[in-house]
Amino acid sequence: GAVVSQHPSRVICKSGTSVKIECRSLDFQATTMFWYRQFPKKSLMLMATSNEGSKATYEQGVEKDKFLINHASLTLSTLTVTSAHPEDSSFYICSAGQRNTEAFFGQGTRLTVV
Amino acid sequence: GQNIDQPTEMTATEGAIVQINCTYQTSGFNGLFWYQQHAGEAPTFLSYNVLDGLEEKGRFSSFLSRSKGYSYLLLKELQMKDSASYLCAVRDNDNQGGKLIFGQGTELSVKP
Repeated sequence: GAVVSQHPSRVICKSGTSVKIECRSLDFQATTMFWYRQFPKKSLMLMATSNEGSKATYEQGVEKDKFLINHASLTLSTLTVTSAHPEDSSFYICSAGQRNTEAFFGQGTRLTVV
Repeated sequence: GQNIDQPTEMTATEGAIVQINCTYQTSGFNGLFWYQQHAGEAPTFLSYNVLDGLEEKGRFSSFLSRSKGYSYLLLKELQMKDSASYLCAVRDNDNQGGKLIFGQGTELSVKP
C-alpha cells in the first residue's frame, strides 16, 4: 500500500524557536496533504489542507502565521511551527491519499516545547 | 456542522466480541473509515465503508447505514493487543482524497 513518511518523529525545542516537520508521500503523488494535531487522549483535529503549488487552507481557529505550510512538490509538504511555545506541544500527524482510497498517515511527530 | 459521536471508552474480555458504535451528521459523505491507534503512534487503517452493509476483514467487521448516519466496528475473538483507541472518521464530499473528520475515539481496554 501507499506509504507516507513523516520526519522527525520526536523533537524538543526551546520556547521561541521554530520547528519544521516534513511529510513525504513515497510511492505516489499527492496534490493534497492534510495536517492534524492530537492532544493526549483526544482525537485528531484537522488543522489545514496543504495544496501543491498554492496556499494551504486552514481550519477555523488555526493561526496561519503560527503554522506555516508549504507544499512545493507533489511528494513533500512541510509544517513549520513558528515561535513555538509550550502550549504548542502536541502530536502532529500528516496524511495523504488518492481519490476514493483510504488516507495514509505519517508516523507522527511528538513536539515538546520547553 | 460536522458531528461524529462514539463512546469514550469500553471494556471487554479477551476472547469476547465487542461492538463500537459511531453516529455521524456531516454536510457531505464520501465514505466512513475506522482506524486503530495505539498510544503515541499514528492511526492504522482498519476498514472503509461507502455503501450500506457489512464489510468483513478477518476478526474485524464494519457496518454502515447511510440513511441512519450509523456505523459500527465489530471485533471478534478479542486479544490483549486489541487494547487501543478506535477512531471513526467520515470523508467529506470534496474528493480531496483524504480529508477526514474524526470522532473523539473510543478507548478499548481488553482484560484477561
